[in-house]
Amino acid sequence: EVQLVESGGGLVQPGGSLRLSCAASGFTFRNYWMHWVRQGPGKGLVWVSRINSDGSSASYVDSVKGRFTISRDNAKNTLYLQMSSLRAEDTAVYYCVRDREATDNDHFDYWGQGTLVTVSS
Amino acid sequence: AIRMTQSPSSLSASTGDRVTITCRASQTIYSYLAWYQQKPGKAPKLLIYSASTLQNGVPSRFSGSGSGTDFTLTISSLQSEDFASYYCQQYYTYPLIFGGGTKVEIK
Repeated sequence: EVQLVESGGGLVQPGGSLRLSCAASGFTFRNYWMHWVRQGPGKGLVWVSRINSDGSSASYVDSVKGRFTISRDNAKNTLYLQMSSLRAEDTAVYYCVRDREATDNDHFDYWGQGTLVTVSS
Repeated sequence: AIRMTQSPSSLSASTGDRVTITCRASQTIYSYLAWYQQKPGKAPKLLIYSASTLQNGVPSRFSGSGSGTDFTLTISSLQSEDFASYYCQQYYTYPLIFGGGTKVEIK
């Protein structure tokens, strides 16, 4: 059974940093592109970032470029999102998501339960 | 970036109704479109990809159509478990963009 379990969310002050983790199981993690998608309170879905299967390439939405870094450890089956210079508008539930197929297809068949990040003083 | 416009933003319907949600892209995305369902407090669920291909395990009352810039999600006979929010997503190019969502409520 495919499982994606996020952790690392919490309350952080504006300008602060946080690292999210996503532990993957039930599939060959190293074969899949992975993404982070977020959802602000009462708002819609926003794609944040993606990383290719070996971690050599990443993309970001403009609003987080230069502040967030996606990475992965295929030996540990874990995806990360390092977030810095956090702003109130980064407050959201952050979902770890998997590409539907083990190729570059950029739509998502498995989602984690999400981890809440709250940026507030 | 491509803009994805969903309509309506909300609708009220009864069990058994046929429901149609539309999604319009600001430029062609060919058939690189997915639809998701999200229930309150839950992660989204993939319903349809490639504009019209039903994801494994999704009931056949859900269908998708369209290509280019105009797309439709149809629920042929609304069931109680279908009351939820629905989102389209283009994956033709980065940044990947979701539509604003459509909330389907009970009339």
